[in-house]
This record gives sequence, structure tokens and C-alpha cells, in this order.
Amino acid sequence: ETGVTQSPTHLIKTRGQQVTLRCSSQSGHNTVSWYQQALGQGPQFIFQYYREEENGRGNFPPRFSGLQFPNYSSELNVNALELDDSALYLCASSSLAGATGELFFGEGSRLTVL
Amino acid sequence: GENVEQHPSTLSVQEGDSAVIKCTYSDSASNYFPWYKQELGKGPQLIIDIRSNVGEKKDQRIAVTLNKTAKHFSLHITETQPEDSAVYFCAAGADKLIFGTGTRLQVFP
Repeated sequence: ETGVTQSPTHLIKTRGQQVTLRCSSQSGHNTVSWYQQALGQGPQFIFQYYREEENGRGNFPPRFSGLQFPNYSSELNVNALELDDSALYLCASSSLAGATGELFFGEGSRLTVL
Repeated sequence: GENVEQHPSTLSVQEGDSAVIKCTYSDSASNYFPWYKQELGKGPQLIIDIRSNVGEKKDQRIAVTLNKTAKHFSLHITETQPEDSAVYFCAAGADKLIFGTGTRLQVFP
């Protein structure tokens, strides 16, 4: 059984640029959630995708967008990067939509915005 | 908005002692309360969870208690070991999961 994998693991961007982060969900899981984890903080919910449709969104602006593909892998896109977007971005897959199933996290993509 | 407060932010214990981490949530609709452990350079991993129809749950050295009236839940680790050292996050939710700010637990041999 393959776990959740994320790419890239590290990347550096400058203000105003755009970034795409990728996530492959665990086999058999149809739900992917994205979280932003600033240094020393807990993960903050960005949004969740269930069977290719957005299924809930946290308090993030529209420049944070996502996609889920038929194989349930997912992308997180962030436009017009700001310095405060520097964080670890975590993807988690689960077999249940909503918030009541175990989340299986990847190791994250660490984004630095200069 | 929904909020989960977690205390303490850091906790140091001697090997073999117990550790307790407490959380308070604001959204009364929350019905699922998991605890995650995050080791350095890794994503969080579920260690135990509890649902709103249960007051207490135990799994070997780990136990969680829930007081829905007071909107409090706690993690108890007994007989701590050095490998328990990590950052622990509580979370609460119904349609989306809100995480606490984390507790860095250090267990000294």
C-alpha cells in the first residue's frame, strides 16, 4: 500500500509568483484535504476535495485554489504569492469526506516566499 | 469563527512520568476529536480519536477524555518513553477539522 506522497518537498519563490503543489493520495482514498502549517503552529484547513469536487473550504482567499483528478490525486495552486504564504503545505487523504475520518498526511511541501 | 485552544505549548517530563495535554473547542457542532503526533520532518500521524457519544477511550499507554458540556478534551500519556518526544496536536470538527496550536513534549531519560 502506497502512502501519501507530495512534490516538490522544498521550493523557493518570489512575491507575486504562482506555485503548484502536488499530492498523490493513499490507495483506496477518494478524499484529499490541504492544510497550511506555519512554523510553530498547527495545521490550518485550506480546503477538501471529494470525488473531484470541492467539499468545504477554510478561511483562505480565492488565490488559493485546487483540483482533484479522476485518480484522486490533487493539486494546490497559489497565485500572487505573498511573504506570509511561506509555510509547510500538508496534503492528507482519507476514505471519508468531511472531518470524521482518519487523515493520512504526506510529509509536506515547504514553500519559502522571498 | 471556530477555534481550538491547546495547553501547554511545551511540556517536559522524566521518563516514566505521565503527561497531560488539554484542549478547548468553540464549535458546539464538533463531534470528532482526534489527536495527532508530529515528528520532526514528518506529517502528523493519528494516535487516538474519540467521538462525541463517548466520554473516554484508552489504547495501551494513551487515553483521551471528552467533556462535551464544558467543550474540553484531554490526552493522557502514562509511563512516558523517550520515543514519545514529539509535537502533539488536538483537533475538533464536524464538517472540517480545526487543529490546536500544538504541544512540544520532551521526555528525558
